[in-house]
Amino acid sequence: DTEVTQTPKHLVMGMTNKKSLKCEQHMGHRAMYWYKQKAKKPPELMFVYSYEKLSINESVPSRFSPECPNSSLLNLHLHALQPEDSALYLCASEALGWQRGTNTEAFFGQGTRLTVV
Amino acid sequence: AQSVTQLGSHVSVSEGALVLLRCNYSSSVPPYLFWYVQYPNQGLQLLLKYTTGATLVKGINGFEAEFKKSETSFHLTKPSAHMSDAAEYFCAVSVITSGTYKYIFGTGTRLKVLA
Repeated sequence: DTEVTQTPKHLVMGMTNKKSLKCEQHMGHRAMYWYKQKAKKPPELMFVYSYEKLSINESVPSRFSPECPNSSLLNLHLHALQPEDSALYLCASEALGWQRGTNTEAFFGQGTRLTVV
Repeated sequence: AQSVTQLGSHVSVSEGALVLLRCNYSSSVPPYLFWYVQYPNQGLQLLLKYTTGATLVKGINGFEAEFKKSETSFHLTKPSAHMSDAAEYFCAVSVITSGTYKYIFGTGTRLKVLA
């Protein structure tokens, strides 16, 4: 199984709503990533978790709150978003440590298309 | 800081023609380099990767890339374009920061294949 599964595929939320994006992988990868991608732009890194601990936060606003409850699951909690936060949110995972070796490759999910109204 | 630069935000080729998408990297050490493809409304799919060693890397769907250290380049090629190759292509480098790897993407090249 080399899949990264993201749910939901599409999400429309109001600016006062609270919602969560979910990402799951069963490849035993211990690095998991959240990227944000605006239309016609490359993905921009938001957060990185290594061994279930937050290791990189690219100065993301606090209305985005990541969570890594276990080695297979990554969540992104959303609260009080703005219309400019509308984008494709991509999750990715990668092997770490002894598993990494030459197996350096990030696997990406299909993304969640978020629209904030 | 390590980065990649993609020359040409849009490339158009005729079906059956050679595809050449350019990527240059800036790195003082041998980099981990990747080419990803993104079809409309989808995630990123790995085409190929360079870690160490071989200069010519073969990927999926008939794509390959040549690593040229002297030119700091990792250009993507395919001998004969197919209509299904129309997509956005991203060159990326994996860098280590604070003991953690992260991927930095180029600005992307949109490939259009003309019938």
